[in-house]
Amino acid sequence: NSKVIQTPRYLVKGQGQKAKMRCIPEKGHPVVFWYQQNKNNEFKFLINFQNQEVLQQIDMTEKRFSAECPSNSPCSLEIQSSEAGDSALYLCASSPGLGGAETLYFGSGTRLTVL
Amino acid sequence: QQKVQQSPESLTVSEGAMASLNCTFSDGTSNNFRWYRQHSAKGLEVLVSIFSDGEKEEGRFTAHLNRANLHVSLHIREPQPSDSAVYLCAVSPSGYNKLTFGKGTVLLVSP
Repeated sequence: NSKVIQTPRYLVKGQGQKAKMRCIPEKGHPVVFWYQQNKNNEFKFLINFQNQEVLQQIDMTEKRFSAECPSNSPCSLEIQSSEAGDSALYLCASSPGLGGAETLYFGSGTRLTVL
Repeated sequence: QQKVQQSPESLTVSEGAMASLNCTFSDGTSNNFRWYRQHSAKGLEVLVSIFSDGEKEEGRFTAHLNRANLHVSLHIREPQPSDSAVYLCAVSPSGYNKLTFGKGTVLLVSP
């Protein structure tokens, strides 16, 4: 069973509001990924980190989304101004490394609903 | 850009009968393939990882990879109702574990 912990489980926000979700990676895993899973089961990569450094992020993340993985604190993903299209399941995953053979272990996700 | 397609979209099997799920991918240089399972509104559980052509078994789950045909499959032996879930195929390139997912197969195992 995965030991990646995501909070909160559910998040409800109005349009324009900030939405913040947190992730505690599995102990000893320096790599963290964030994915968005929409209602059509489409997965979108958002951003990844190795230790505290951003490795790769998509354009969407660069504009309204912000994320960080400070040392000794949970990682977080924040949407500055929520839009209806942001309603989705946000999944955090951690991994021992970035190599192709390194498995991503996922948390249970944060279900965001933007009214 | 990698495209991953899964079939069928949904599958119903009787308890104990073999369940077979398919996944095709577009980038033949991909090296790393995983099957995940997602129970309703929950996180993803990795079932089996396969990195070379052939077969890989993890308990009741067996993956078959044929990179020449751009195809990877998952076979579930003696499925139980508790195996009812969405099964996701995930592909990553050589040397990097950033995953591209298919849209999943919804499996229902009837008692």
